[in-house]
Amino acid sequence: AQSVTQPDIHITVSEGASLELRCNYSYGATPYLFWYVQSPGQGLQLLLKYFSGDTLVQGIKGFEAEFKRSQSSFNLRKPSVHWSDAAEYFCAVGLYNQGGKLIFGQGTELSVKP
Amino acid sequence: EAGVAQSPRYKIIEKRQSVAFWCNPISGHATLYWYQQILGQGPKLLIQFQNNGVVDDSQLPKDRFSAERLKGVDSTLKIQPAKLEDSAVYLCASSLDFKFSYEQYFGPGTRLTVT
Repeated sequence: AQSVTQPDIHITVSEGASLELRCNYSYGATPYLFWYVQSPGQGLQLLLKYFSGDTLVQGIKGFEAEFKRSQSSFNLRKPSVHWSDAAEYFCAVGLYNQGGKLIFGQGTELSVKP
Repeated sequence: EAGVAQSPRYKIIEKRQSVAFWCNPISGHATLYWYQQILGQGPKLLIQFQNNGVVDDSQLPKDRFSAERLKGVDSTLKIQPAKLEDSAVYLCASSLDFKFSYEQYFGPGTRLTVT
């Protein structure tokens, strides 16, 4: 069965420090992968996506993610975190052979300390 | 371009009552999704529409949940009767057409509390 695992439920980083959020997926075919961010009381905003091609993808707000097929991973990174990055981050796999529905991980809550 | 609209934003009801949520997708988007997000979890798909037809409702608890998208635009999700475990955020999302576009755009959600 398809699944997405985000091993870290909560991460705290200092403002200006680098960030890496982990995501592992289980899917029998080439995945479509997404990272979304959710601020309190808000819907989900797409940060970046991977469909094919270059395995390092750039997104909005200075985020990037790297697809590693051998590790079934799609980790999210940012070189310097800002206080406004504090939010919940969700990794998702898109099932293109099942109507494009998204399977989400449980999320990683990011706190940023000054 | 206007985003996905949802109403109400918040709803508090007692168990066994009924409730309805409304979603207006981005103009021109053929595919509409309803997700349920329980506190501390990622969203889970309840139902997917393509225009006014259902593509996937395998995870919809059909004994109490129903949804429709009669004219292929707006959609309504209903719960009747509600249970305590239905407390969650209900997210609506839309995409241009699931057959060739996999980007989904989400609305702000409706937070339901069942007491």
